[in-house]
Amino acid sequence: AQSVSQHNHHVILSEAASLELGCNYSYGGTVNLFWYVQYPGQHLQLLLKYFSGDPLVKGIKGFEAEFIKSKFSFNLRKPSVQWSDTAEYFCAVNAPRSSNTGKLIFGQGTTLQVKP
Amino acid sequence: DGGITQSPKYLFRKEGQNVTLSCEQNLNHDAMYWYRQDPGQGLRLIYYSQIVNDFQKGDIAEGYSVSREKKESFPLTVTSAQKNPTAFYLCASSSGRGTDTQYFGPGTRLTVL
Repeated sequence: AQSVSQHNHHVILSEAASLELGCNYSYGGTVNLFWYVQYPGQHLQLLLKYFSGDPLVKGIKGFEAEFIKSKFSFNLRKPSVQWSDTAEYFCAVNAPRSSNTGKLIFGQGTTLQVKP
Repeated sequence: DGGITQSPKYLFRKEGQNVTLSCEQNLNHDAMYWYRQDPGQGLRLIYYSQIVNDFQKGDIAEGYSVSREKKESFPLTVTSAQKNPTAFYLCASSSGRGTDTQYFGPGTRLTVL
């Protein structure tokens, strides 16, 4: 069965620190990859996504992620975090060949707390 | 103002009662999804629908039921058969293709007393 693993469950950083959140998936075929963010009291929203082309994708608010096919990874990065980045971050995968339905499989989520 | 609405925001239910959570979208999306969010478990798919009058079970469908009689509406019923229904429920919609972004509603927090 397909699965998505986020290794960091709770991350605490100071403002201006660099961020990298890990995401690995278990599926050998073509995948579409997503990072979603849930700010306190707000809807879950898309940060960025990858489905083809340049494996380094840029999203909103200075976030980026790199798809490394050989490592089945799609890690999220930001060079300098701000207090407003405090949120819960979810990695998600869609495997179109096994299920062409737009279904997403989500990781467990990572809670990021940025200290001012 | 386009988007997804879910109601109510908070819902309390006694054990043994069925309860229905509402989800409406005005994005003209074909596909709609219901997820359950529990701390430390991420989002798990309950049911999804790609088109009106059709829906499929997700990973944790037991104890839940849905209907899709209208394109814009996808209500979820949490039945008394659901063993652990207290959770945060999220509805989403998309155009239905695997590359598409899913748009989420604000969620309903269900507490079983």
